[in-house]
Amino acid sequence: KAGVTQTPRYLIKTRGQQVTLSCSPISGHRSVSWYQQTPGQGLQFLFEYFSETQRNKGNFPGRFSGRQFSNSRSEMNVSTLELGDSALYLCASRRTGSSSLGANVLTFGAGSRLTVL
Amino acid sequence: AQSVTQLGSHVSVSEGALVLLRCNYSSSVPPYLFWYVQYPNQGLQLLLKYTTGATLVKGINGFEAEFKKSETSFHLTKPSAHMSDAAEYFCAVTSPNFGNEKLTFGTGTRLTIIP
Repeated sequence: KAGVTQTPRYLIKTRGQQVTLSCSPISGHRSVSWYQQTPGQGLQFLFEYFSETQRNKGNFPGRFSGRQFSNSRSEMNVSTLELGDSALYLCASRRTGSSSLGANVLTFGAGSRLTVL
Repeated sequence: AQSVTQLGSHVSVSEGALVLLRCNYSSSVPPYLFWYVQYPNQGLQLLLKYTTGATLVKGINGFEAEFKKSETSFHLTKPSAHMSDAAEYFCAVTSPNFGNEKLTFGTGTRLTIIP
């Protein structure tokens, strides 16, 4: 079956602009999480959505936002871009909103690499 | 709060040699532990996971890891390295805490295989 699909894969923006990244989870997966990966900070959790509701949020400024649609697809938006927002943004999905089932692990997409000039 | 420490940001081993990547965790509740691998310009691929039960877990590509509660460790091993194992490896921890199950990652270990 198809994996997690992220678009676009690469994009370049300038400071002050905004960007929207898209994530299509694996069919049947209802939870979508977003992570930011940078050389300096590593992998950091941004937020998680389940059934169109944000369940958990990481320690990022309000410029970072997201949403989830009824078909479980998710978007994240970064407004007023800064140079430090340059990163690989990874989306991951899982079947339910709980990891307690053991087998319910995150499956990651290939990421969207954002460069801010 | 949970955290993961990966000792050694870079590890080099010869092809055919033992691979050992170290991971220590901190968690106030029983953890779920994971190893992910990342190849250049790709996302993260799950190698193996520990949730409950058997403490020695086997994953894909010949990797395995052992959960040692007394040492708070979850080291990743492979008996014989292959050139295709060259990648970055991440250890991660979470817990079955409903509504707050984000993964906390270590800083990663870049594995280089010497021909």
